[in-house]
Amino acid sequence: GENVEQHPSTLSVQEGDSAVIKCTYSDSASNYFPWYKQELGKGPQLIIDIRSNVGEKKDQRIAVTLNKTAKHFSLHITETQPEDSAVYFCAARERQNFVFGPGTRLSVLP
Amino acid sequence: DAGITQSPRHKVTETGTPVTLRCHQTENHRYMYWYRQDPGHGLRLIHYSYGVKDTDKGEVSDGYSVSRSKTEDFLLTLESATSSQTSVYFCAISQNDHRDSRMNTEAFFGQGTRLTVV
Repeated sequence: GENVEQHPSTLSVQEGDSAVIKCTYSDSASNYFPWYKQELGKGPQLIIDIRSNVGEKKDQRIAVTLNKTAKHFSLHITETQPEDSAVYFCAARERQNFVFGPGTRLSVLP
Repeated sequence: DAGITQSPRHKVTETGTPVTLRCHQTENHRYMYWYRQDPGHGLRLIHYSYGVKDTDKGEVSDGYSVSRSKTEDFLLTLESATSSQTSVYFCAISQNDHRDSRMNTEAFFGQGTRLTVV
């Protein structure tokens, strides 16, 4: 089955700097890669996603890149703000199921 | 927000007692999932359903059972709760269409149920 790894597990950045979180997956059949943000006491919420036929997608300060050959995908947050502090999860959809990475705790320091 | 409601939101129970968690959706999505979230493990799939009375096991299904008698409801049962089942449980829904992948959606999550087994 699919296995998703995620790094780093914790990340601290200064407000205004960029943050990058990287994930790898194992199953070449996976075709959809969402990223979720989870705030304390809440369920994960989708922030951006990318399908396997696209190499890059951007939404304001957030971008995701996908390298299918290397089975890597990354989340990029620019101009970080304190409200970006949260736990971020990457995921890969293998057929009908979603397999999640272990998460990255991002802290944006004012 | 997607229409997903989990109940209860918090529960404390004793070892050996049965516990049922409920997930209710108003989106008419075909797929429903139960995940547990533990520090260092992210979200791990317990069971999922791809239709009424159609369910299958996930990565960590031992000690859990599920039922889906209606499209909108997916129940997770711990037959005899153990301390290792202390966790936060999330329900999620998704729309997947094998005939047209453009209809597929992301997973939408509920707010979670914090279960403590003492």
